[in-house]
Amino acid sequence: DQQVKQNSPSLSVQEGRISILNCDYTNSMFDYFLWYKKYPAEGPTFLISISSIKDKNEDGRFTVFLNKSAKHLSLHIVPSQPGDSAVYFCAASAPRGDDKIIFGKGTRLHILP
Amino acid sequence: DTGVSQDPRHKITKRGQNVTFRCDPISEHNRLYWYRQTLGQGPEFLTYFQNEAQLEKSRLLSDRFSAERPKGSFSTLEIQRTEQGDSAMYLCASIPGFSFSGANVLTFGAGSRLTVL
Repeated sequence: DQQVKQNSPSLSVQEGRISILNCDYTNSMFDYFLWYKKYPAEGPTFLISISSIKDKNEDGRFTVFLNKSAKHLSLHIVPSQPGDSAVYFCAASAPRGDDKIIFGKGTRLHILP
Repeated sequence: DTGVSQDPRHKITKRGQNVTFRCDPISEHNRLYWYRQTLGQGPEFLTYFQNEAQLEKSRLLSDRFSAERPKGSFSTLEIQRTEQGDSAMYLCASIPGFSFSGANVLTFGAGSRLTVL
């Protein structure tokens, strides 16, 4: 049973435009959400996170939006740059007592010139 | 601080052989995690340590898998009698503190890729 779902395996976006990556989750106990980025032959690297008490968090070109009622979050990248081409993983964690992060399957983002 | 180090980066072995992976976390990170990633999937939790204590193991971790963190620093993941289904990227990650929040995020190593022939 996938608790964190990324339903789009891949996404292509023109350079300079907005990239929107989506993620849905099923476990209402999740209280912290993260996005990781992965290049080939490297481990995932942390990008941005959001606590369940917030609905938006922004860091430079990256903004994460959380809609708790819909159990949905999204990552916006504006403007998209060639170096943003990578696999993006949505992840979530539950409060103490379930001390692990659950990852989605990832979305491969292609930034087109 | 050089981050999380994993060795070897790539291991090719024949079915039935034993393999061992090593992870050196960021120094003084209390928690160390092992994940496995197969093609088209996200990282899947295997096990984690708080200092030297192994606190949780996933059902994915069959009896052929064993992990240790003897002195609360580096960790090893051993797979005995490897099977072709064990082929995957094995990722190690560490975190300071005891919960995921704010600046406490998992920092991953580059991974150890296992190919079982």
